[in-house]
Amino acid sequence: QVQLVQSGAEVKKPGASVKVSCKASGYTFTSYYMHWVRQAPGQGLEWMGIINPSGGSTSYAQKFQGRVTMTRDTSTSTVYMELSSLRSEDTAVYYCAREDLSGSYYIIWGQGTMVTVSS
Amino acid sequence: AIRMTQSPSSFSASTGDRVTITCRASQGISSYLAWYQQKPGKAPKLLIYAASTLQSGVPSRFSGSGSGTDFTLTISCLQSEDFATYYCQQYYSYPSSTFGQGTKLEIK
Repeated sequence: QVQLVQSGAEVKKPGASVKVSCKASGYTFTSYYMHWVRQAPGQGLEWMGIINPSGGSTSYAQKFQGRVTMTRDTSTSTVYMELSSLRSEDTAVYYCAREDLSGSYYIIWGQGTMVTVSS
Repeated sequence: AIRMTQSPSSFSASTGDRVTITCRASQGISSYLAWYQQKPGKAPKLLIYAASTLQSGVPSRFSGSGSGTDFTLTISCLQSEDFATYYCQQYYSYPSSTFGQGTKLEIK
């Protein structure tokens, strides 16, 4: 079945970087754009950016420009989201979500990765 | 950036009630709107896309309407499993997207 499986929880110190992975299975990896969305504890959903797994092109939310890098590995059907210069406000659950072919809404989501930033 | 404002932020209802949640966009977004349901500790689940199209497998008691700037999600007869937080999402400004702040539906 179609699924996205993310890497496990992370604890990082302020100023560090974190790299979260999202492994796709059950479909043609290069055919669907992938988005990253995060959710701080008790808060709403925040769009971070998009990657085209086919060519690797990306587009990021202005808020994260300069701090986020999204990459992919087609040999393992995995996309990555790396966030640098972490601060406490980056404590959140990070989700990958597959864009549908008919529109940029998300039917398939990863299970989420909790990233905690604490000294 | 397009802002999405949901109302109410939270409210209480009873099983069997008909409930309506509103989402307003800061500018016109045609019908590029989706609704999600999220339960604690889980990823969001798509309910409605293109403002009014029911996602496959979602019960017919859920419906969506609206276009332009004003949208509604209606649950015709609340079931116990419907108590959750609901989010609207605009995808008009592709590739970027924004979500409403959420509406928490609690049991009265």
